[in-house]
Amino acid sequence: DAGVIQSPRHEVTEMGQEVTLRCKPISGHNSLFWYRQTMMRGLELLIYFNNNVPIDDSGMPEDRFSAKMPNASFSTLKIQPSEPRDSAVYFCASSYRGGTLTDTQYFGPGTRLTVL
Amino acid sequence: AQKVTQAQTEISVVEKEDVTLDCVYETRDTTYYLFWYKQPPSGELVFLIRRNSFDEQNEISGRYSWNFQKSTSSFNFTITASQVVDSAVYFCALSEDGTSGSRLTFGEGTQLTVNP
Repeated sequence: DAGVIQSPRHEVTEMGQEVTLRCKPISGHNSLFWYRQTMMRGLELLIYFNNNVPIDDSGMPEDRFSAKMPNASFSTLKIQPSEPRDSAVYFCASSYRGGTLTDTQYFGPGTRLTVL
Repeated sequence: AQKVTQAQTEISVVEKEDVTLDCVYETRDTTYYLFWYKQPPSGELVFLIRRNSFDEQNEISGRYSWNFQKSTSSFNFTITASQVVDSAVYFCALSEDGTSGSRLTFGEGTQLTVNP
């Protein structure tokens, strides 16, 4: 079975440009998470969707960040305009959440973003 | 608020040594879940184990074992007869089963280096 798929794997862009990261969750999973990993802050949750609906976006740094999940098999994280401090590895993870049960999150390979 | 502390930033051992990675957590919930993830040099996050707060049985999987003690809020991870391939960053994580969703709170990670 395919795991979580993320694209691109690496992205290098210049400050001020728009960046779009993409994620395809594991088939059958109904929860999707976007995390960011930096040396300074470690792994932090940006936003979480359940059944395509954003549940918790309290981790989104500022208005330059936006995330969408138009259907159960696709999500995007957009940064516009990008800044050098956005350089990080962005992970997408998915899980199956049934009722109030918390299930295991499986992570994609990550997108390494460098903003010059 | 939930918190995970991995006090050991870096550990270096020689192959075949046993090594224990410590994890201490804080939560106000009675229902919660604990996880360990491995991040090898290639960068992906690999799920290792999940425990719920009602199951304090220790678990063994091959060379890996986990010791969960609610009395000390600890969930330690032991690798027996370590191998070079075990070199990675290991993250302990906590998830509370609340209405806001199953967000993961990660510890800072422990960098394990196994030398030949």
